[in-house]
Amino acid sequence: KAGVTQTPRYLIKTRGQQVTLSCSPISGHRSVSWYQQTPGQGLQFLFEYFSETQRNKGNFPGRFSGRQFSNSRSEMNVSTLELGDSALYLCASNPDNYNEQFFGPGTRLTVL
Amino acid sequence: GENVEQHPSTLSVQEGDSAVIKCTYSDSASNYFPWYKQELGKRPQLIIDIRSNVGEKKDQRIAVTLNKTAKHFSLHITETQPEDSAVYFCAASGAGGSNYKLTFGKGTLLTVNP
Repeated sequence: KAGVTQTPRYLIKTRGQQVTLSCSPISGHRSVSWYQQTPGQGLQFLFEYFSETQRNKGNFPGRFSGRQFSNSRSEMNVSTLELGDSALYLCASNPDNYNEQFFGPGTRLTVL
Repeated sequence: GENVEQHPSTLSVQEGDSAVIKCTYSDSASNYFPWYKQELGKRPQLIIDIRSNVGEKKDQRIAVTLNKTAKHFSLHITETQPEDSAVYFCAASGAGGSNYKLTFGKGTLLTVNP
């Protein structure tokens, strides 16, 4: 099976802009989670989607949002970008009823 | 919410030695504890995990132990090799019914010197 894929791999944006990141889970996985990784804060949970519904949410401001499509692909959006949003954004998928999460390669977002 | 503490933040060992990384968690309802290895510029990769109904699990040179009473779990790597050099993260999930929300430790940079 193909692994988790994420596009784009790299993005450069300026403050105030918005950005959309995409994640395709492993075939058959319906749960997709998003994490932000920074040197200072480490890996932090953003949200998790299952069957097009947000099932869990982390402690991030409303500028961070996501959605999931009927084919389980997921997108996350960050509006009004701030310098502190520069990070590696990772998505992970897991099979139904199993905790194991498998990560994609991430999208490196740089906000200037 | 859940809080996971990880120690040490850096660990340097000689090839062939053992390495131990320790984590503590705060929420006794957590029931799943994975360990991830992340090499520079790569994605985190699941290397071993343990559930709360098990005290120890081994996979070749890697083992994980869990002490539910003390709320801590540890990663043990024996006969370390240079390719074991990476950042290792522990995590916990299951608190509050959030089975798919991983709370991570801050990571341990392991360096194995040849």
